[in-house]
Amino acid sequence: GENVEQHPSTLSVQEGDSAVIKCTYSDSASNYFPWYKQELGKGPQLIIDIRSNVGEKKDQRIAVTLNKTAKHFSLHITETQPEDSAVYFCAASKGGSQGNLIFGKGTKLSVKP
Amino acid sequence: NAGVTQTPKFQVLKTGQSMTLQCAQDMNHEYMSWYRQDPGMGLRLIHYSVGAGITDQGEVPNGYNVSRSTTEDFPLRLLSAAPSQTSVYFCASSKLDQETQYFGPGTRLLVL
Repeated sequence: GENVEQHPSTLSVQEGDSAVIKCTYSDSASNYFPWYKQELGKGPQLIIDIRSNVGEKKDQRIAVTLNKTAKHFSLHITETQPEDSAVYFCAASKGGSQGNLIFGKGTKLSVKP
Repeated sequence: NAGVTQTPKFQVLKTGQSMTLQCAQDMNHEYMSWYRQDPGMGLRLIHYSVGAGITDQGEVPNGYNVSRSTTEDFPLRLLSAAPSQTSVYFCASSKLDQETQYFGPGTRLLVL
């Protein structure tokens, strides 16, 4: 089955710096790659996603890149702010009716003011 | 539109007790699922359903039962709780033709 590896497990940056979180997946049939942000005591919330027919997607300060050949995808956060501090999860799935998400183990991002 | 709701928010059980974690959604989503979240383990799929009357096992189904009698509700049952089931449980839902899953606020379960 699918296996998703996520690195680093913790990341500390200064406010205004960029943060990058990387994930690799094992199943070449996976075609949907979402990123979730989880704040303390809350459920995960989708922040951005990408499908396998796209190499890069951007939404304001957040971007995701996908390399299908290498089977890895990354989350990029620019101009980080203290409110970006949270745990971030990557996931992979085959999409559609096979939409079971396989999650990475998470990255705890701390943005220091 | 409340989205995905879960009850209770927090529960303490003794080993061997049974309980049901409730999950409901008002978005007419066909797909519903249960995950457990443990420190350093991410979210692991317990059971899922693609519609009323249809359920299937995920990665870690042992010790849990589910049923799906309506589109809106997807309860998770622990028949005989064990300390290893101490965790935070999340319910999620989505449309079958859309991959985006929406998560509930979670139920924190402590089994003594």
